[in-house]
Amino acid sequence: DGGITQSPKYLFRKEGQNVTLSCEQNLNHDAMYWYRQDPGQGLRLIYYSQIVNDFQKGDIAEGYSVSREKKESFPLTVTSAQKNPTAFYLCASSTDWYGYTFGSGTRLTVV
Amino acid sequence: GQNIDQPTEMTATEGAIVQINCTYQTSGFNGLFWYQQHAGEAPTFLSYNVLDGLEEKGRFSSFLSRSKGYSYLLLKELQMKDSASYLCAVSFSSNTGKLIFGQGTTLQVKP
Repeated sequence: DGGITQSPKYLFRKEGQNVTLSCEQNLNHDAMYWYRQDPGQGLRLIYYSQIVNDFQKGDIAEGYSVSREKKESFPLTVTSAQKNPTAFYLCASSTDWYGYTFGSGTRLTVV
Repeated sequence: GQNIDQPTEMTATEGAIVQINCTYQTSGFNGLFWYQQHAGEAPTFLSYNVLDGLEEKGRFSSFLSRSKGYSYLLLKELQMKDSASYLCAVSFSSNTGKLIFGQGTTLQVKP
């Protein structure tokens, strides 16, 4: 079955540490996205990629980095520069104008 | 800007009907999506409107008025499991497939 997989489901980060969230899709979608969701709030766009080897910053890119070396994969690194990383992170993919398929999310907590 | 506005919270009674509104700027509008999101889970697709009018899908219906920049999601015969957040998301022609999300409406269904 085609889908989009995020891992891990839960992640704990120490102060000053970089962590990488995985997102893999086998839907053959060209575009992939990373969103952040804070409690009681909507989704805010971090980075997106419409084609392999190309990506653009979203509204809240500071403290994050991404890569798109393969069509199937769009990992997100939360760097130590992100001062408030505790949130629910959602990855999505899409083709044309038909909306998103979401992964199940990663809950990141700073300890 | 491309603000998407929807009420923060709503409460309704089991078996009743509830309407969740969403307003957006009309310039460059392409289409509008509604997603349902249970706490701690990924959003799931409910509906997509691109033309004016009402789209019915079982207990859920979605309406769009392009000229007014207005949509609503109508939930009939409410069930307890409908307690969730409902996200309105808009696709604009300038954003090449990227969705802009509202803050979400948290619906609580009471017995």
